[in-house]
Amino acid sequence: VQLVESGGGLVQPGGSLRLSCAASGLTFSDYAMNWVRQAPGKGLEWVSTIGSGGGTFYADSVKGRFTISRDKSKNTVNLHMNSLRAEDTAVYYCASFPNGEHYFDNWGQGTVVTVSS
Amino acid sequence: EIVLTQSPATLSLSPGERATLSCRASQSVSNYLAWYQQKPGQAPRLLIYDASNRATGIPARFSGSGSGTDFTLTISSLEPEDFAVYYCQQRTNWWTFGQGTKVEIK
Repeated sequence: VQLVESGGGLVQPGGSLRLSCAASGLTFSDYAMNWVRQAPGKGLEWVSTIGSGGGTFYADSVKGRFTISRDKSKNTVNLHMNSLRAEDTAVYYCASFPNGEHYFDNWGQGTVVTVSS
Repeated sequence: EIVLTQSPATLSLSPGERATLSCRASQSVSNYLAWYQQKPGQAPRLLIYDASNRATGIPARFSGSGSGTDFTLTISSLEPEDFAVYYCQQRTNWWTFGQGTKVEIK
């Protein structure tokens, strides 16, 4: 299984960014896909989940600003991030769990998002 | 939101010693708790799920126990590659992580 994130970078406060995660080596329809972030020197924070059926879930800290989506034809999951704040600065990891399991068993290498003027 | 509190924050031990890490939940999570290991510059790795089941490929020196609100990760004899940060995670009510325990070389 391989999860490869892309799209990170430097963005000004209030700006937008789209992260992508390409999944291979797994049956995409059997997995929920997730984003978990880690601020510099801090712990892990769950951000968002999209189930295999398309149901979406968000942490309160990003609700209304972030949108998760998945493309079954390309085995990718995206995270659209709007109204970015300094506190969104983090490494963003793509992670998967099998339907019904809810433990993150596969992780990407992470992509860095820096929100700064 | 279920809050997970890990202790101690840092554990200083020597290779070959036994490590005991604690995770306490603010309300019952039944046995729906996992442990992850994270090394510097790397993504986390799933070690234990459902409180006591080792994930694929995880050595037998790692074991988990507990239910309800109190959980323990035990490393029976520390190997050099086990020095890392360990996180617990619950799946009962959304998904939350503890703040981590760093296991460092004494």
